[in-house]
Amino acid sequence: EPEVTQTPSHQVTQMGQEVILRCVPISNHLYFYWYRQILGQKVEFLVSFYNNEISEKSEIFDDQFSVERPDGSNFTLKIRSTKLEDSAMYFCASRGQIQETQYFGPGTRLLVL
Amino acid sequence: AQKVTQAQTEISVVEKEDVTLDCVYETRDTTYYLFWYKQPPSGELVFLIRRNSFDEQNEISGRYSWNFQKSTSSFNFTITASQVVDSAVYFCALSEPNSGNTPLVFGKGTRLSVIA
Repeated sequence: EPEVTQTPSHQVTQMGQEVILRCVPISNHLYFYWYRQILGQKVEFLVSFYNNEISEKSEIFDDQFSVERPDGSNFTLKIRSTKLEDSAMYFCASRGQIQETQYFGPGTRLLVL
Repeated sequence: AQKVTQAQTEISVVEKEDVTLDCVYETRDTTYYLFWYKQPPSGELVFLIRRNSFDEQNEISGRYSWNFQKSTSSFNFTITASQVVDSAVYFCALSEPNSGNTPLVFGKGTRLSVIA
């Protein structure tokens, strides 16, 4: 069964460093998303992406964040200068054109020290 | 504005008991989708069910069942004869397909602990 994959599974970084989180969505899907979950809290929407551009973003997704689909398979989230409060689990999700179900990757646990 | 409320923060049951997780939603759209996801201790989000706003039929899948009632804006989830493996955080979520690229709005989740 096709699935969304994410790398790395865990990342530890120093405050102020740049991190890139990678996702490979399900191959025939067209809509891509990033969400984050601060420990013990709810899952929050960051950004959605379709047709090579951002379609929606939340207020969390400020200038420190960017997304890219550098090739036909990867979908990346970059945090330019990490802050302590960026520590969270980051989930990538994708969906096909017709179905409205978003399938999630296993997440990347980011710890900013 | 969309909102999903899961009033039960934590529930503990003894194995083999039935348990119902509540979900109440708010939306202005007449077309929307409701979801339940399971987050086991390993952390991933596992899709359980999707319901569209035009389909109020209840659904049963093994020990899981879902009760969708538009009149009360609720989409409750029942686990029958609970097992230890059901221990997880369960999230209810809502999306509005007429509102752009349909991000999911999640409730805060209910942590279910099933004790042997």
